[in-house]
Amino acid sequence: TQLLEQSPQFLSIQEGENLTVYCNSSSVFSSLQWYRQEPGEGPVLLVTVVTGGEVKKLKRLTFQFGDARKDSSLHITAAQPGDTGLYLCAGLLITQGGSEKLVFGKGTKLTVNP
Amino acid sequence: GAGVSQSPSNKVTEKGKDVELRCDPISGHTALYWYRQRLGQGLEFLIYFQGNSAPDKSGLPSDRFSAERTGESVSTLTIQRTQQEDSAVYLCASSPLYGGLYGEQYFGPGTRLTVT
Repeated sequence: TQLLEQSPQFLSIQEGENLTVYCNSSSVFSSLQWYRQEPGEGPVLLVTVVTGGEVKKLKRLTFQFGDARKDSSLHITAAQPGDTGLYLCAGLLITQGGSEKLVFGKGTKLTVNP
Repeated sequence: GAGVSQSPSNKVTEKGKDVELRCDPISGHTALYWYRQRLGQGLEFLIYFQGNSAPDKSGLPSDRFSAERTGESVSTLTIQRTQQEDSAVYLCASSPLYGGLYGEQYFGPGTRLTVT
């Protein structure tokens, strides 16, 4: 069972184009993170969103958390080849035992062609 | 240290052999996590440590997998009698506090395990 569905799975675009990646779930998360992973490296945190409806901007990247805290989107404006990588969304679930578990989506592999 | 480090970076082993993977978290981080990432897949949670204890072992795929942490620092993930389906990248992460503030974790580069 995939708790977090990411779409699209693959995306290949030309430099300068805009794109949006989606992360959807039927579960409610206390927070949601977006990570970027390059080949041979571990994921690197881009942003954390906590409040339903929250919007955060990081240069050309805009992140939004759904009002119900079940979904999120990542929008990149004027993509550059340096944006190429695997984008992962991850939601923080609080388990019945009170521990925290970070659940990851399968990722969106983005390729930006010069 | 400056970041989370893992060793070895690559490990090729024969089916049936045991392997140990090591993780050195960021100094002072009390929480440590292990994940598995199969080719083309997202991250699969394996186990989490708070200090030296593991409150959540629910993600360990079988009893061939075990992990320990000593001195609230280094952790080792051991896979006994490796199988080909164990081939994956094993990622370690740490966070400063229990679960990390809002869950932010800092990842190491991973160990790529290939079972032949």
